[in-house]
Amino acid sequence: GAVVSQHPSRVICKSGTSVKIECRSLDFQATTMFWYRQFPKKSLMLMATSNEGSKATYEQGVEKDKFLINHASLTLSTLTVTSAHPEDSSFYICSARDRSLLAGDQETQYFGPGTRLLVL
Amino acid sequence: RKEVEQDPGPFNVPEGATVAFNCTYSNSASQSFFWYRQDCRKEPKLLMSVYSSGNEDGRFTAQLNRASQYISLLIRDSKLSDSATYLCVVNKAADSWGKLQFGAGTQVVVTP
Repeated sequence: GAVVSQHPSRVICKSGTSVKIECRSLDFQATTMFWYRQFPKKSLMLMATSNEGSKATYEQGVEKDKFLINHASLTLSTLTVTSAHPEDSSFYICSARDRSLLAGDQETQYFGPGTRLLVL
Repeated sequence: RKEVEQDPGPFNVPEGATVAFNCTYSNSASQSFFWYRQDCRKEPKLLMSVYSSGNEDGRFTAQLNRASQYISLLIRDSKLSDSATYLCVVNKAADSWGKLQFGAGTQVVVTP
């Protein structure tokens, strides 16, 4: 099946620093990628939808200046957590939708393995 | 009220037994429904889509009840490897194609 990678898988940083997370679709082109955040024992929460070549759309309550998203190509989207604070510590997961799939299958999203961020 | 609600469990199931659990959703305009599986500290993986007429994939059976706005998952002949958290996933609305709403998950623990 389709493969999505994320890098890094784990990052520990000091409060106030910025952290960039990469999400890549390895064997397919993804016009749309999604960024989620998951706290322990909680559901995945959609943060933003990243569209190739255009600005990301953010969910209500998600600060766009805090979580910068860039979708520069059909296989790469990046999420930058700017001036990270301890409350940003979480599991960040991206997903990608395969543009080549038929309409009925286009809702299938392939998830990356996630990035664990710990801000000290 | 949460948009997608699940019993968190855990459901402790003897190996070989059957387990079933539901998920309710609040948006009557939701069009697509899925069950994902998430192992501890891993990403979610699609288990199966849920179709209006109900569908089966091996030992897994999913049902959709639009009138009561719930979906169910039944696992027959449970294996130790079925231990995981099962996420109920609903598309957010008919006009937000691709946006998925996740439940917090139902934990299943299959014991020898």
